[in-house]
Amino acid sequence: AQSVTQPDIHITVSEGASLELRCNYSYGATPYLFWYVQSPGQGLQLLLKYFSGDTLVQGIKGFEAEFKRSQSSFNLRKPSVHWSDAAEYFCAVGAGSQGAQKLVFGQGTRLTINP
Amino acid sequence: GAVVSQHPSRVICKSGTSVKIECRSLDFQATTMFWYRQFPKQSLMLMATSNEGSKATYEQGVEKDKFLINHASLTLSTLTVTSAHPEDSSFYICSASQPRQGNTEAFFGQGTRLTVV
Repeated sequence: AQSVTQPDIHITVSEGASLELRCNYSYGATPYLFWYVQSPGQGLQLLLKYFSGDTLVQGIKGFEAEFKRSQSSFNLRKPSVHWSDAAEYFCAVGAGSQGAQKLVFGQGTRLTINP
Repeated sequence: GAVVSQHPSRVICKSGTSVKIECRSLDFQATTMFWYRQFPKQSLMLMATSNEGSKATYEQGVEKDKFLINHASLTLSTLTVTSAHPEDSSFYICSASQPRQGNTEAFFGQGTRLTVV
C-alpha cells in the first residue's frame, strides 16, 4: 500500500523568504501526487498535482513542486512567501485501481510566517 | 465546474443521537464519493468509499454500523453518524469523482465540523 511522509511537522519562515516543504512517498509505480492547503477550520484547496509528463509542476498562488522518481519525493516550493500562506499543507498520493481519486495523505506541515 | 458541497458545515449534537452529513456534487455526476475524517491537528484518513447504487466499502477499523453511508443518486452521498459520542467529534470531509471523465482527481467539499456534547 502507498504511504506519504512529510518529515516536517512545523516550519516557520519569514515573509518574503523562500519555502520548501518536503514530501516523500512509498509506492511501487508512479503515483498521482497532490499538494493541498488547509486554512484553520476550512476545507482543502488543491495547489497542484502531478499525473505524468513534465516533472516540474506549476500550481496556484505561485507554488511549484518537482517530482523526483529517484528520491520518491514531491517537494513543494515557493520563492517568496506571503503572510497569507500561513496554513497547513498536505501532500497526498493516489494510486491503485482508483488512481487519482482515492488518496492517502501525509501528516501535514504547519507553516507559520514571521512578519 | 466540479463543485462539491457539504452540509452542514458545522453541527453540534448530543451524545447518543445521530447526525447526517450530506455531500453533493453540484455540476457533475459522481459515481464515486469518498469520506475522510480529520481529528484535530491530525491528517485526513479515508473512512469509506461510496459507490452509487451499491454498498460502501469501509477502511479497516471503521465501524460500518456506526458510520452509515448512502449513495442513492449520482449527485448525493450521505454519512450518518449513529449514536454519536464525544470521541466522534471530528472534521468530516467528502470528495467526489467522475471516473467517466478519465482518471482525474476527486473534488473536495468544504467539510463538516461535528461536535458531540
